[in-house]
Amino acid sequence: EADIYQTPRYLVIGTGKKITLECSQTMGHDKMYWYQQDPGMELHLIHYSYGVNSTEKGDLSSESTVSRIRTEHFPLTLESARPSHTSQYLCASSEYWADTQYFGPGTRLTVL
Amino acid sequence: AQTVTQSQPEMSVQEAETVTLSCTYDTSENNYYLFWYKQPPSRQMILVIRQEAYKQQNATENRFSVNFQKAAKSFSLKISDSQLGDTAMYFCAFMKPYNAGNNRKLIWGLGTSLAVNP
Repeated sequence: EADIYQTPRYLVIGTGKKITLECSQTMGHDKMYWYQQDPGMELHLIHYSYGVNSTEKGDLSSESTVSRIRTEHFPLTLESARPSHTSQYLCASSEYWADTQYFGPGTRLTVL
Repeated sequence: AQTVTQSQPEMSVQEAETVTLSCTYDTSENNYYLFWYKQPPSRQMILVIRQEAYKQQNATENRFSVNFQKAAKSFSLKISDSQLGDTAMYFCAFMKPYNAGNNRKLIWGLGTSLAVNP
C-alpha cells in the first residue's frame, strides 16, 4: 500500500475562489505528478516534478499552478476557480529511476 | 508518438468466470514498460500488473495475468475467477525506457469499465 495522501477528498466551492489541493507522500519519491480525470474518462497529465524546485507542465493545458518546495509535498493551486475546473484531480509519485507510479485517493472538485 | 488503445469501453463477467481485457499500443521503441491499473468505484488508482518489454515471460499476479505479444503490440489482461471486488475501470498504460530521460511519462488508454455480476 502506497503512502500518498490527498486533501480534501471532496470540495465544493463557488466561482472565483482560490483553492489549493494538497498532496503528500511519505516514500521519499523524487517524482510527483498531477492528473485531471473527468468521470469515466482517461487521465490527463497536467503537472509533474522531478524533484525539489522542479516543475513542468503536462500534456493537458491547465490554469492551475504547482510548487515543489519539499520532496514530500506537491500542492496544486487554482487562483480563481471556474465551473470548467470541475473534475477529479489525482496525485501520484514514483522513484526517480522507477516506472511504477503510486496514486493518492484523489480530490473531487466541484465549482458552482 | 506512442498511443494506447483499449477497444472495449465496457465489459461484464459473471462471478468466478474468466474475462480478458484487450489493449494494443503503437511505438517504435524496442524496450519499454506496460501496465494495467485498476480504479474501483472508490476511485483510488491501483497498479495491477507490470510488464517489461524485454522479458518474454508474461507477468502474473495471483488471479491476474497478461498475454504480451510484442510483435503484435498487444497487451491483454486476463482475470481468472472473477470476484465482485474486481468491478472497476481498468486502464492500460505505456512508458518509454530509462534512456528516454525526463520524457518518461505514462501514456494512458481510455479505459475499460468491467462489471462483475453475482
